[in-house]
Amino acid sequence: DSGVTQTPKHLITATGQRVTLRCSPRSGDLSVYWYQQSLDQGLQFLIQYYNGEERAKGNILERFSAQQFPDLHSELNLSSLELGDSALYFCASSPRQPAYEQYFGPGTRLTVT
Amino acid sequence: AQSVTQPDIHITVSEGASLELRCNYSYGATPYLFWYVQSPGQGLQLLLKYFSGDTLVQGIKGFEAEFKRSQSSFNLRKPSVHWSDAAEYFCAVGARSGNTPLVFGKGTRLSVIA
Repeated sequence: DSGVTQTPKHLITATGQRVTLRCSPRSGDLSVYWYQQSLDQGLQFLIQYYNGEERAKGNILERFSAQQFPDLHSELNLSSLELGDSALYFCASSPRQPAYEQYFGPGTRLTVT
Repeated sequence: AQSVTQPDIHITVSEGASLELRCNYSYGATPYLFWYVQSPGQGLQLLLKYFSGDTLVQGIKGFEAEFKRSQSSFNLRKPSVHWSDAAEYFCAVGARSGNTPLVFGKGTRLSVIA
């Protein structure tokens, strides 16, 4: 158990819908990272927050957005969902930013039908 | 910017045999280096990390990795593989300065046969 929690574990929704994925980092970790993992694209970095501020952006679509709240939990919002958004979404946290070791949550499996 | 290459997409070893997974990185200085393991349907678990000092790093589950600056490599080894080691292994590299997150390799899938 890494100490990073993610909810929900599984999510099934239809195309065009909007979903919110939630992440709670390890106690004391200020950095939160979001990743998308799919069979064809592998592990893709989406976005990073540090103590509430966006610090780095990767291959995140405009339909996706994220934020980190004062209590340091983070949410990833995915809208206008497409079939191709079906993937595992991981959250990771680290005590420092940006290149320190990261601890991954168990992931949210999103299925878009 | 840093980059990392895992040349082997899939490796199959016999239980009890030794294992070496390759990782090569590109970076202008000595980076931070990591190995992660992912079992099917699970998150990534940190196996070991290199920041500085001894170039031979010990990790969990009996794994070790050696940092070789001259070869820009950070290969993962285990002397005797167990069936439970079957998983996907990811090498990652981090810059010591700047604001760039970790860069992950594409992973090596390890199969273990009896």
